[in-house]
Amino acid sequence: DIVMTQSPDSLAVSLGERATINCTSSQSLFYRSNNKNFLAWYQQRPGQPPKLLIYWASSRESGVPERFSGSGSGTDFTLTISSLQAEDVAVYYCQQYYSHPTLTFGGGTKVEIK
Amino acid sequence: QVTLRESGPALVKPTQTLTLTCSFSGFSLSTSGMSVSWIRQPPGKALEWLARIDWDDDKYYNTSLRTRLTISKDTSKNQVVLTLTNMDPVDTASYYCARGGIWFDCWGQGNLVTVSS
Repeated sequence: DIVMTQSPDSLAVSLGERATINCTSSQSLFYRSNNKNFLAWYQQRPGQPPKLLIYWASSRESGVPERFSGSGSGTDFTLTISSLQAEDVAVYYCQQYYSHPTLTFGGGTKVEIK
Repeated sequence: QVTLRESGPALVKPTQTLTLTCSFSGFSLSTSGMSVSWIRQPPGKALEWLARIDWDDDKYYNTSLRTRLTISKDTSKNQVVLTLTNMDPVDTASYYCARGGIWFDCWGQGNLVTVSS
């Protein structure tokens, strides 16, 4: 199975500041035939199910605020929250679908307010 | 509006079989390309994909749990059923159903299942 590793495990950011979450895969998620990276990002607020934020590594899901952006290629990916808001307190997960139907998630990164 | 809702027991005993039902609306599993998946999350831990069923009745399972899992659908009722045999305390988790087979754009609220005698 492809192993997804997130860092840091947690981070505290001041309101309005940038939050950066990293995700590394044990093998490349880049598929040459369609020139895409098979990676998604989710937000899970306390007591809630996950919510899809990003797919194809950088495509924002409909309705997701523009302050959320995804970047990276191959094995190294980043989720950036450009200006942290109070409602962004959550755990964030990356998920690979390169090896679909078998899918794997990262261990999660907890984002808190400093 | 797409909604999904899980239903099933909150408590099962070790060795028992867990049966969970996902009831959904706002889409049809008879639509070409549609899939429904199950994902679980032990308390305070990360997400784990379990199984997926496609519109054409193709089924896929987590390789480490394959021998214990069964997924099925009733398209007329808009339901997907997951069974997990030989339950163990390590299977204690919130079980979610979600729309999708590669990424998941809509999720149910989850069904917390505790395995204890």
